[in-house]
Amino acid sequence: KNEVEQSPQNLTAQEGEFITINCSYSVGISALHWLQQHPGGGIVSLFMLSSGKKKHGRLIATINIQEKHSSLHITASHPRDSAVYICAGPMGEDTDKLIFGTGTRLQVFP
Amino acid sequence: GAVVSQHPSWVICKSGTSVKIECRSLDFQATTMFWYRQFPKQSLMLMATSNEGSKATYEQGVEKDKFLINHASLTLSTLTVTSAHPEDSSFYICSARDGYYEQYFGPGTRLTVT
Repeated sequence: KNEVEQSPQNLTAQEGEFITINCSYSVGISALHWLQQHPGGGIVSLFMLSSGKKKHGRLIATINIQEKHSSLHITASHPRDSAVYICAGPMGEDTDKLIFGTGTRLQVFP
Repeated sequence: GAVVSQHPSWVICKSGTSVKIECRSLDFQATTMFWYRQFPKQSLMLMATSNEGSKATYEQGVEKDKFLINHASLTLSTLTVTSAHPEDSSFYICSARDGYYEQYFGPGTRLTVT
């Protein structure tokens, strides 16, 4: 059974802090997704990665295929970063059906 | 980047009626679209996989006669919730794949059945 686990479940930070959210999965993947969900529900795709590291603005995502682990980093966090961050990986080998982590709820205070 | 839209963004309907949700890929052709459901404070769960021109594949426990999926073109898939009940109230999200393995997510549709 494939599982995607995230930590921490909840995270609070002061504006400007560096934030790390972790994701571990149990099945070899073709790609892992990081998503952002704001209050009200809208989902935004942040990253899809299968190796190495990707950067977009203040967001950085890394993945270690051997260790089946990915991290999402936010530099110079801001209150507008407050959201639920979700990682998702394939349900199994040779499939692009996704299984989702339970999410990390981030609150950044000014 | 690729954009996926959903319409409507929210809908309220009465119990027993049907409601249709559209998922469109705006700037690419989506060979495959996925439909997800999210209950409050829970993670997204895959409902079905929709391939253009063929019948959708439903996940275990999802009633195909209740959740009708049509993927008539490479840019449009629709999910129709038939004979809606209050327990169908949820957040419905689609994603679209562009023929490789990247999936692009729509913003979601919040359905409330009264």
